[in-house]
Amino acid sequence: GAVVSQHPSWVICKSGTSVKIECRSLDFQATTMFWYRQFPKQSLMLMATSNEGSKATYEQGVEKDKFLINHASLTLSTLTVTSAHPEDSSFYICSARVETSGLQETQYFGPGTRLLVL
Amino acid sequence: AQKITQTQPGMFVQEKEAVTLDCTYDTSDPSYGLFWYKQPSSGEMIFLIYQGSYDQQNATEGRYSLNFQKARKSANLVISASQLGDSAMYFCAMREAPGSARQLTFGSGTQLTVLP
Repeated sequence: GAVVSQHPSWVICKSGTSVKIECRSLDFQATTMFWYRQFPKQSLMLMATSNEGSKATYEQGVEKDKFLINHASLTLSTLTVTSAHPEDSSFYICSARVETSGLQETQYFGPGTRLLVL
Repeated sequence: AQKITQTQPGMFVQEKEAVTLDCTYDTSDPSYGLFWYKQPSSGEMIFLIYQGSYDQQNATEGRYSLNFQKARKSANLVISASQLGDSAMYFCAMREAPGSARQLTFGSGTQLTVLP
C-alpha cells in the first residue's frame, strides 16, 4: 500500500521556538493532505486540510498564524508550529488522500510526530 | 452534535474470543462511507475495513467484519478470534459526500485489551 512518512518522529523543544514537521507521500502524489492533532487517550482532531499549490483550509478554532501549513509539491506538506508553548505538546499526524472517485478513497496516515514543548 | 459516537472507552476480551466494538453515526446525507482504524501504542493509524452507505452486504476483511445496520445508523466492528496483537485503540470514522475535501471525522475511540 501507499506509504506516508513524517519527520521528525519526535521532537523536544524549548518554549518560544518554532518546530517544522514534514509529511511526505513516498510512492504516490497527494493533492490533498490532512493534519490532525491527538492528545493522549483522545481522538484525532482535524486541524487543517492542505491543498497543493493553494492555501490550507483550517478548522474552526485552529490558529492559522500559529500552525503554518505549506503544501509546496504533490508529495510534501509541512506543518510549522510557531512560537511553541507547552500546551502545543501533542501527537501530530498527517495523512494523504489517494485521489479516486467515490467515498472509498483511501487515506493513508503517517506514523505521527510527538512534540514536547518544555 | 457528535457525528460519530463510540460509547465504549475500554473493552476487554479473552484471547481467541470474538469482540464487538460499537459505533453509531449521525448524518443526513444518503451517501457516506464508514471506516475503522486501529491505532497501536506506536501511534500509527492502520486502516481495517470500509463500508459504503449503499453497500448491500456487510464488509469483511479477514478476521474483521462490519455489522452495518443502516436504519439504526450503527456500524459495529466485529473482531473474531482475538489475538494479543489486537490490543490497541480502535477508531470509527465517517466520510460524507458533500465538500471537496471529504475529510474523515473520527469517533472518540475504544481501547481494546486482549487478555491471554
